[in-house]
Formats: sequence, C-alpha cells, structure tokens
Amino acid sequence: NAGVTQTPKFQVLKTGQSMTLQCAQDMNHEYMSWYRQDPGMGLRLIHYSVGAGITDQGEVPNGYNVSRSTTEDFPLRLLSAAPSQTSVYFCATGPGDNQPQHFGDGTRLSIL
Amino acid sequence: ILNVEQSPQSLHVQEGDSTNFTCSFPSSNFYALHWYRWETAKSPEALFVMTLNGDEKKKGRISATLNTKEGYSYLYIKGSQPEDSATYLCAAGRRALTFGSGTRLQVQP
Repeated sequence: NAGVTQTPKFQVLKTGQSMTLQCAQDMNHEYMSWYRQDPGMGLRLIHYSVGAGITDQGEVPNGYNVSRSTTEDFPLRLLSAAPSQTSVYFCATGPGDNQPQHFGDGTRLSIL
Repeated sequence: ILNVEQSPQSLHVQEGDSTNFTCSFPSSNFYALHWYRWETAKSPEALFVMTLNGDEKKKGRISATLNTKEGYSYLYIKGSQPEDSATYLCAAGRRALTFGSGTRLQVQP
C-alpha cells in the first residue's frame, strides 16, 4: 500500500522548459491537492480537486495547470518554468470535507 | 484566501518542559481546523482535525483545543522530548486548506 506517490523526487529545469509533476494515490480518496513550500511561507495551495473531472484554483495557481481524469492521478503541469517556481512541491489527498490530508514525500524542483 | 497565523515562529525548550503554540484564523465561515507535525526531511503528518467550538483532542502527550467564536486554537505538548522537535502547522478550511507558516520547535536534551 503505497499511499501517495510523487515523481520525480528531484528535478532541475531551465527557464522556459515545461514539465509534469506526477501524483498518484491508492487510497481511493476523492480530494487531491498540490501545495508549494517556500522558506518562511509554509504551504501554499496551488490547485485542488474534489473528484475526477473537477478542479479548482488555490492561492497561487498562475503558471500551473492541472487535470483530474481518474481518482488515482492528479498531475501538475508547469507550462513555461520560471525561477520563481523553484520550490518543494507536495501532493496531498483526503477522503472528504474536514478530513485529515495525507501528504506525499515531495518533489524538489530547481529552475535555472 | 483565509488569513491563518501561528505564533511563535520558533521555540527552543529543554527536555521535560511543557509548551504551547497558537493558531489564529477567521471565525466567520469556519469549517475545520487542522494540526500537522512536520519533521525535517519528511512530509507533514496529520495530528488532529477539529470542527466544533470547544473541541479538545489528545494524542499521547500532545493535545489541542479549539475556540471558533474567537478564532484560535492551542496546541500543547506536555513534557517535551527531543523527538518532538519538528515544525507544527495549523490549517483552516473545508476542501481547500490555508496553512499558517508554522511553529518550529526544538527540544534540547
């Protein structure tokens, strides 16, 4: 039982490149979210989904795209990487409203 | 976007000390208040989710209280141990969580 799996764990990109951060879960949770963690700023919500086919923006959505075609997967796409997107990205899942979230191990992304 | 604030930003205590942190959040349109523990090089782990005014939750030496009318929650650690060293995050929301910036606790042996 893997829980929440994020790939890759580390990535270095050049400015302007695009890439997809993967998040997969095997807990059959409806809710999935993407956060970024920057020093001194805690976790900030990028996008979230409350079920397959449903996504919504969080606090810092600009420069990122998401889609949710299955319950298990919630990929995060960087369209044109910028140095300001250098961060640690966490995917989290939850079974429903007002329930604890379960976090993946994170993806450390550096953009040069 | 909710305004969730935590204090203090960091805390150094000696082994055996009891300590507490504060999380403040908007009292209007309240749904739930979460506490997470985040150890270095790991991912955040859920401690508590509280939804009702006056809620109290306990897990071992860690407990939390909730006051939704005035918009604050306290996290208490009784008899701190070095393994309690971590960042403690609170978050508010229903589906989309807004996190505070955390309280970093260091417990000296």
